[in-house]
Amino acid sequence: AQTVTQSQPEMSVQEAETVTLSCTYDTSESDYYLFWYKQPPSRQMILVIRQEAYKQQNATENRFSVNFQKAAKSFSLKISDSQLGDAAMYFCAYSRNNNDMRFGAGTRLTVKP
Amino acid sequence: ETGVTQSPTHLIKTRGQQVTLRCSSQSGHNTVSWYQQALGQGPQFIFQYYREEENGRGNFPPRFSGLQFPNYSSELNVNALELDDSALYLCASSSKDSWGTEAFFGQGTRLTVV
Repeated sequence: AQTVTQSQPEMSVQEAETVTLSCTYDTSESDYYLFWYKQPPSRQMILVIRQEAYKQQNATENRFSVNFQKAAKSFSLKISDSQLGDAAMYFCAYSRNNNDMRFGAGTRLTVKP
Repeated sequence: ETGVTQSPTHLIKTRGQQVTLRCSSQSGHNTVSWYQQALGQGPQFIFQYYREEENGRGNFPPRFSGLQFPNYSSELNVNALELDDSALYLCASSSKDSWGTEAFFGQGTRLTVV
């Protein structure tokens, strides 16, 4: 069974600084997708970034980038130039072929002004 | 804002009752997945519906059941409610016909069982 582990229940960052959220996963598959979702107090899960396992190049979306280490089964999220609006719960998730997503327990990110 | 709408947004039920939650899918999507998110935890997969048939199920008892309609909207039904069923229920709309298509989530239904 695939599992996703987020070892940081809470993280804090100063506004305009950079923060990295960690995620590890376990799978025996070679093709899959990894995601980072943001869940603000409004509760709606918002896709931040996704990575296709067969692509070696790390995904980037504006201030958000990932460090995907397939052999180590590691998938960390880097947020650059942190903004107050980045404060939220962040969930790492794994999915294979549009089937169910497996989520980690989440990391609560606080951004200090 | 996604095109996925869930109703109701909140409700309170008594232990032993039955509840139905609803989810509209994004236009062009044919797959709906349901998740249960207990307080302080990540979402847990309940089941997925693809073209009106159940297409996968997580570790949830049979009293959790669902339907998908021809317009691809979906319902989640929970019978014999228990206190531990109190959670945020999320649905996600996607297209199973396209590999890696993004799933769009609704805003969730907060269920409280008393």
